[in-house]
Amino acid sequence: QQPVQSPQAVILREGEDAVINCSSSKALYSVHWYRQKHGEAPVFLMILLKGGEQKGHDKISASFNEKKQQSSLYLTASQLSYSGTYFCGTEWILTGGGNKLTFGTGTQLKVEL
Amino acid sequence: DAGVIQSPRHEVTEMGQEVTLRCKPISGHNSLFWYRQTMMRGLELLIYFNNNVPIDDSGMPEDRFSAKMPNASFSTLKIQPSEPRDSAVYFCASSYNREETQYFGPGTRLLVL
Repeated sequence: QQPVQSPQAVILREGEDAVINCSSSKALYSVHWYRQKHGEAPVFLMILLKGGEQKGHDKISASFNEKKQQSSLYLTASQLSYSGTYFCGTEWILTGGGNKLTFGTGTQLKVEL
Repeated sequence: DAGVIQSPRHEVTEMGQEVTLRCKPISGHNSLFWYRQTMMRGLELLIYFNNNVPIDDSGMPEDRFSAKMPNASFSTLKIQPSEPRDSAVYFCASSYNREETQYFGPGTRLLVL
């Protein structure tokens, strides 16, 4: 039930692009993306709802492929401030009603000069 | 705005004791979330309130955990009795609604001895 993230870790040089993938075995209602720096609270990046959404702000965007039960987070022209652990959360509808949101184990991203 | 306020920031207690964590959401936000994060289990959503009403508590681990939101500006998460495996960082977050940007508090680091 926990989504699978890939890669587990990635090192970039400043200015390079990266893609983080999140896949689920469930039919998804939504996908959430967060970034967390060591010792700090998570920062909510965006939520994508079923319907094949694509969202973005600044140089961070994401897509949600409902049929494939996958989402990807795109980091363009990475900056040092992008370093941190990225989590995806996948939400699905429970059979008896209500939603369930579970999180991946995170992708550690480090941007170097 | 002061952001989401959590107290205490750190709590050390002995097994069997009652622990109460507090959260003050951002004024005007209708949704409130409690999360738990550990190295072993990662990030977990414990409970979600909308307009002070618990909507989804499927993440609450067991009956020892309870959460309340008596009004729009205050929520508590109580653990009674506490156990060492409850040691974690507990985050509170709020948003205008479930599908809008969530703002996280700094977290409460709980250690149960």
